[in-house]
This record gives sequence, C-alpha cells and structure tokens, in this order.
Amino acid sequence: ETGVTQTPRHLVMGMTNKKSLKCEQHLGHNAMYWYKQSAKKPLELMFVYNFKEQTENNSVPSRFSPECPNSSHLFLHLHTLQPEDSALYLCASSQGLAGAQVAGELFFGEGSRLTVL
Amino acid sequence: AQRVTQPEKLLSVFKGAPVELKCNYSYSGSPELFWYVQYSRQRLQLLLRHISRESIKGFTADLNKGETSFHLKKPFAQEEDSAMYYCALLLPSGGYQKVTFGTGTKLQVIP
Repeated sequence: ETGVTQTPRHLVMGMTNKKSLKCEQHLGHNAMYWYKQSAKKPLELMFVYNFKEQTENNSVPSRFSPECPNSSHLFLHLHTLQPEDSALYLCASSQGLAGAQVAGELFFGEGSRLTVL
Repeated sequence: AQRVTQPEKLLSVFKGAPVELKCNYSYSGSPELFWYVQYSRQRLQLLLRHISRESIKGFTADLNKGETSFHLKKPFAQEEDSAMYYCALLLPSGGYQKVTFGTGTKLQVIP
C-alpha cells in the first residue's frame, strides 16, 4: 500500500477498555501527526512526532497515549476513554520543513472512527 | 492567538454559478495559507497554497493581508466540486508542518 494507512477504520469501545489505533506511512516522511475531528469543531492537533521524537502535545488528556517506534509507524493507545472522546481520529505525515518540496502539505489517512459507549 | 475562521458551515450554489468560500485568519507574522479539500468518502488532501499562486481545478485564492483573508473562488461551479473545504494556516514550529485548520465549509453544488 502507498500513502497513509490507518487501522481500524471503525472502533467501538467501552469506557473501561484498552485499544489502540495504528497509522503507517509509506511516503518516506519524517513527521507524523494525530488530529481529532469532532462534529462542529476544527481539526484539533493532538500530537506530533518528528524523527520519532514527540515535539508537540496539545494538552491532550493522559488517557490518550501516543507511540512512535519508527518514522513509518504511529500508534494512539486508548484507555478509560469518555463518551466525549468519540470522534474521527486522523493520522497525517509530512516532510520536515527543511526538506519539504511543498511547505504545509500534510498527507492524511482515511481516519479511524471511534465510538465510546 | 493564531486562528483561522470560516464563517459559513454550508454554501449551496447552482451549477455554473460563481463560488466564494470565505476564510479569515488571525496571525501576527507573515502567513502561509492553504486550502484543503475532502470529497465524499475520500481523505483530506491539499487543494492549493497561496505561496505558489496556482489555480487547481479552476479554484484560486488570493491572500489579502489588509483584510486578513484568503477566500477561495471559482467562476463556474461544477457538481464534482461538492465537498468539505478547509482553510489552513502554517505556524512556525521546530522543523515540522504545524498546520491549524478552520472549521470547514461544506460546498453543495446543485445540478
């Protein structure tokens, strides 16, 4: 597969469950991102990893735990979530600014639709 | 605070009519602005960026620093233009693309 791939596409979980979202990119990028997309709200940047190092954590609750084992893979571990965490979680990747051919271009996955019961 | 505002949640136009999707920004520096588009059942993707001054699929967007606007325009709407459109602002960061998005405008082109 090419591009950015997210699994699972849909996830339903209870508040006491532990689950993980996975993102994989085959574009040779060095930065990966998690965004949250809720109804009627802007896309919210959650976490950024640049060369496997976390460079941004936008005051995200600790029930969301990111992991970036290498530049191609990004995980979002979920535990004891709340119903208000139900949303579409988008993964994206990009080149760093120094090496980017197009500044500002993020490449998105199709998203993981999360429902917390 | 750096912010992007899209005042319209939904814009409905007839096929062949002109389209203008509004975007205003709040940023103290020299902005780099973009439009992203999401067609039905497709992923979010870059449509155009102001710095390249290009026209993609007939769409153009001019940066107006005086009005702090970056409206997206097309002279004649097509049915295939129906989609969600997001205005976005690139913020300074430590070597990665820190992009902040507006809330989006759904464009509906009526046949």
